[in-house]
Amino acid sequence: NAGVTQTPKFQVLKTGQSMTLQCAQDMNHNSMYWYRQDPGMGLRLIYYSASEGTTDKGEVPNGYNVSRLNKREFSLRLESAAPSQTSVYFCASKEQVWQGLFFGSGTQLSVL
Amino acid sequence: GQQVMQIPQYQHVQEGEDFTTYCNSSTTLSNIQWYKQRPGGHPVFLIQLVKSGEVKKQKRLTFQFGEAKKNSSLHITATQTTDVGTYFCAGWFGNEKLTFGTGTRLTIIP
Repeated sequence: NAGVTQTPKFQVLKTGQSMTLQCAQDMNHNSMYWYRQDPGMGLRLIYYSASEGTTDKGEVPNGYNVSRLNKREFSLRLESAAPSQTSVYFCASKEQVWQGLFFGSGTQLSVL
Repeated sequence: GQQVMQIPQYQHVQEGEDFTTYCNSSTTLSNIQWYKQRPGGHPVFLIQLVKSGEVKKQKRLTFQFGEAKKNSSLHITATQTTDVGTYFCAGWFGNEKLTFGTGTRLTIIP
């Protein structure tokens, strides 16, 4: 049982490049999330998807787009990467309202 | 905006000493959750508190939810090296937005 799987684990981009972070969960969860983690700032919500077919902005959505491809998969796209997007990105999911989140192992992204 | 503040940011304790981290919300929370993140790892859900004044224990960890449902604390008794990591509180604003505190990083001096 893999839980929440994120790819890639590490990525280095040049300013202006684009990329997509992939996330898949095999727990049949309805809700999925993307957070970024920066030193001293905790985890900040970028986007979330309460159910298949819906997405909503979190605290820091600028510069990102998301796609809830199906119930299992929720991808995060950086169209034109900037150094300020250097961070660790976590995908998470949960089954029902107000339950605990299950996190993936994270993607460490550096934008030069 | 909705904020969840956590103090202290860092805590260094001798092994065997107690540790406490405090969490405060700008608004009343429907419930609060606690997570632990080991160095280099991902956050792992520990517990959820729902009721005003609720106290829950997990072995050496004691979690409290304030009477006004705007603050919470995590207390670890007699810390061990396995307790090393960052502890986050998180509050639900609405049904789907979970806002995390800034975290308290605990280091243990053997």
